[in-house]
Amino acid sequence: GENVEQHPSTLSVQEGDSAVIKCTYSDSASNYFPWYKQELGKRPQLIIDIRSNVGEKKDQRIAVTLNKTAKHFSLHITETQPEDSAVYFCAASQVFNKFYFGSGTKLNVKP
Amino acid sequence: EAGVAQSPRYKIIEKRQSVAFWCNPISGHATLYWYQQILGQGPKLLIQFQNNGVVDDSQLPKDRFSAERLKGVDSTLKIQPAKLEDSAVYLCASSLPGSYNEQFFGPGTRLTVL
Repeated sequence: GENVEQHPSTLSVQEGDSAVIKCTYSDSASNYFPWYKQELGKRPQLIIDIRSNVGEKKDQRIAVTLNKTAKHFSLHITETQPEDSAVYFCAASQVFNKFYFGSGTKLNVKP
Repeated sequence: EAGVAQSPRYKIIEKRQSVAFWCNPISGHATLYWYQQILGQGPKLLIQFQNNGVVDDSQLPKDRFSAERLKGVDSTLKIQPAKLEDSAVYLCASSLPGSYNEQFFGPGTRLTVL
């Protein structure tokens, strides 16, 4: 099956700096890559996603890049704010919408 | 639009006891997922339904876990008997069928096994 690895496990940045979280996947059949934000005690919520036929997608301060050849994708958050502090999960999905999640990155944005 | 509903929100049981969780997906979502999220880890898929049929249950410990989705709407996940290592948050999610569709998660049930 698919194996998704996520790094780093924790990330601390100063408010206003950028944050980058990286994930790799093993199965070339994966074709959809969502990112979820999970605040403490709350449910995961989709923040951005990318399909395998696209190399980059941006939504305001958040962007995701995908390198299919290298089988890795990254989340980029610019101008970080304290409310960006949360755990972020990447995931890879295949046929029939089977999702495999990374282990999570705890982002701490210091004011 | 109402979200994914789950109950109970919290459950504390002794090891070897039984427990059941309930999930009501978003109306019209044919695909339903149960995930186990152990503290500090990402969600791990236990079982995936398409309507009332099982798409994937390869990571479901079938000696103690069972799930059903009769009538293709609500679903229940049962653990019998529970072990200490089953302590986790159990998340239900639903989506429209097909690829590229967003999963919507419920609030989860936090299970503590003592």
